[in-house]
Parts: sequence; C-alpha cells; structure tokens
Amino acid sequence: GQQVMQIPQYQHVQEGEDFTTYCNSSTTLSNIQWYKQRPGGHPVFLIQLVKSGEVKKQKRLTFQFGEAKKNSSLHITATQTTDVGTYFCAGNLLDDYKLSFGAGTTVTVRA
Amino acid sequence: SQTIHQWPATLVQPVGSPLSLECTVEGTSNPNLYWYRQAAGRGLQLLFYSVGIGQISSEVPQNLSASRPQDRQFILSSKKLLLSDSGFYLCAWSVGTGGTDTQYFGPGTRLTVL
Repeated sequence: GQQVMQIPQYQHVQEGEDFTTYCNSSTTLSNIQWYKQRPGGHPVFLIQLVKSGEVKKQKRLTFQFGEAKKNSSLHITATQTTDVGTYFCAGNLLDDYKLSFGAGTTVTVRA
Repeated sequence: SQTIHQWPATLVQPVGSPLSLECTVEGTSNPNLYWYRQAAGRGLQLLFYSVGIGQISSEVPQNLSASRPQDRQFILSSKKLLLSDSGFYLCAWSVGTGGTDTQYFGPGTRLTVL
C-alpha cells in the first residue's frame, strides 16, 4: 500500500536558525498537504501542493513538491518559538478519499 | 463558516467498558468524514471514513466500529475497550470527490483506558 515517510522524526533547533523536514512517498501522489499540530492540539491545515515542482511560501515557511510528485519538503527560516509543534505531510492518490500521513517531524526550539 | 465538534474532550474508561465518541460538522453538506487515532507522540492512523450516510469504510480491523446516522454526524464506538485503545481520537471532514481534498480536524478526544 501507499506509504509516506517523513524525516527527521525530531528536530531540535536554535532560535533563529533554519531547518528542513522531508517527505517521501513510495508512489506518485496527486497532491501533498502539510499540517501543523501544536502540543496538545489538533492538526491544522497549512498548505496544499498539486503541481510537479511547485513551490509555495507562507512567510518564513517554504514548501516544495518534487518534480516526480513523490517527495516534498518544508523549509523554515529564522525559527521562532511559535514554530514549535509537529509538522505532518500527507498525500493521496487521484480520486482517493484517504490521506496517507507521514509520522511527523516534532520541532523544539532552544531560545 | 464550517465548524466541527467532538465530545467528550477527555475520557477515562475501564478495560471492557463500552465507548461512544461523537463528531458533528456544521456549515457544510454531504461532507466526507474520517476517524483517526493518534498514539502518544506518534502519527495519525486512519480508522474509518465515510462518503455518505450509512457508508463506512474500515481501514484497520479492530474492536472499534463507526456509524453515520445523519449527514453531518459520525460516531465511533466499541463494545469492550482494550488497553491498546488509549489515544487521541480525531474526527476530520472534507468536501470533494477525493484526490485533492483538504481535511479539517476537530479538537479531538483524549481517551485513557485503565
């Protein structure tokens, strides 16, 4: 079955530094979505990428969808304490109602 | 605007007791509905999804069941809870025919089975 792998599992970042989390699928995806879950909260939708090679930015967050539509990345610049949480990528196949979630990257920030 | 409600927020139940978690969505019609479970510090495991009233697809065989008695109501049940049923249960909804739907999550229910 479809699998979405996400690395690293944990990311400890010094405030102000940059980091990247990666997402890889065993199959070609119709789209990739990113969600953020704050400690004690529920996942909140951040963004969706649909086109091959697509790049989208949200302030300090840059999302990229690979050319083969099998991988994605989230890059955060100048990390702040508000970036703390777990970032999940999720992908699905065309006409599939199900999203396959990665295991998430849990981010902690050192002030 | 659309909102999704889940209750209860937290629940502590003894092993072998029944379970009923409810999820309702407001502000949209004919949503796709989902139940996920998240173990502590882990990712999201899809348990059930439904594309319409009375239509339930099960992803993981276990002692849980789901029902959708109304268009915007999704219920997760168990006749006898196991210790391994502890976790964070999340309901989500989407609108569309699949493939590019964004899912919106409810606040979740934290279940502890003792």
